[in-house]
Amino acid sequence: KAGVTQTPRYLIKTRGQQVTLSCSPISGHRSVSWYQQTPGQGLQFLFEYFSETQRNKGNFPGRFSGRQFSNSRSEMNVSTLELGDSALYLCASSLSAGGSWGNTIYFGEGSWLTVV
Amino acid sequence: TQLLEQSPQFLSIQEGENLTVYCNSSSVFSSLQWYRQEPGEGPVLLVTVVTGGEVKKLKRLTFQFGDARKDSSLHITAAQPGDTGLYLCAGGGTGNNRKLIWGLGTSLAVNP
Repeated sequence: KAGVTQTPRYLIKTRGQQVTLSCSPISGHRSVSWYQQTPGQGLQFLFEYFSETQRNKGNFPGRFSGRQFSNSRSEMNVSTLELGDSALYLCASSLSAGGSWGNTIYFGEGSWLTVV
Repeated sequence: TQLLEQSPQFLSIQEGENLTVYCNSSSVFSSLQWYRQEPGEGPVLLVTVVTGGEVKKLKRLTFQFGDARKDSSLHITAAQPGDTGLYLCAGGGTGNNRKLIWGLGTSLAVNP
C-alpha cells in the first residue's frame, strides 16, 4: 500500500512569508503527527491530530498550526517565517493516537524548508 | 522533563567492524523504539522493546532494553555500508503521557 506522502519535497521561502505543507497518511490511518528535524535539535514534536482533533501539542510558538481533514489528510502552516524555521518537516501516520508501543508510526520523506 | 541521550553522536567505522550505540535516560519508559533514517528519507522503525531486559535480534542488529527500562543499546555485528544512517531512539511515555520522547540520534558511517 502507498506510504505517507508529503508535498512539496523542497521549498524556499523568504523571511516573513507563510508556508503550508501537506501530508497524506497511509490509507486507513487516522492519526497524523508532525515533526521538525534540525541537526542541532533533532526530531521535535509539533502536534498530533486524530479524527480531525488536535490530541497533543509540542512546545512551538503559535506561528505553527495544523489541521486535519475528514479524509485524514493533514496540513501544517507556519506564518511569519523566521530563518530558524529552516528544517526538515516530517509527517507520520499511525492507526491510532499516541506513542504507545503497539501503535507503529510511519514517516513520510519530509518537506525540506529553507527560509532565506 | 523526560530526556533521551544518545551516544556516540557520530561514529565512522570500516566495513566488517562491530559497534554499539547507546540510548540513556533517567526516566522510565513504557517502551523504546529504534529507528534508522537514511539521507533524504524519513525514519523507519527497526524494533520496539517493551519488557525490561528484553533482547531482540534483527539479522546483524541486536537491541537490548535495560532492566529498569531507562536505557537501551543497539549492537551491530560486521557492519556494512548499507548500515549507514542516523539511528534514533524514541521512548514511549508512561501513564497518561503517550508522547514519544526522541533522542538526537547517532550518525553512523560505514566505509567500504
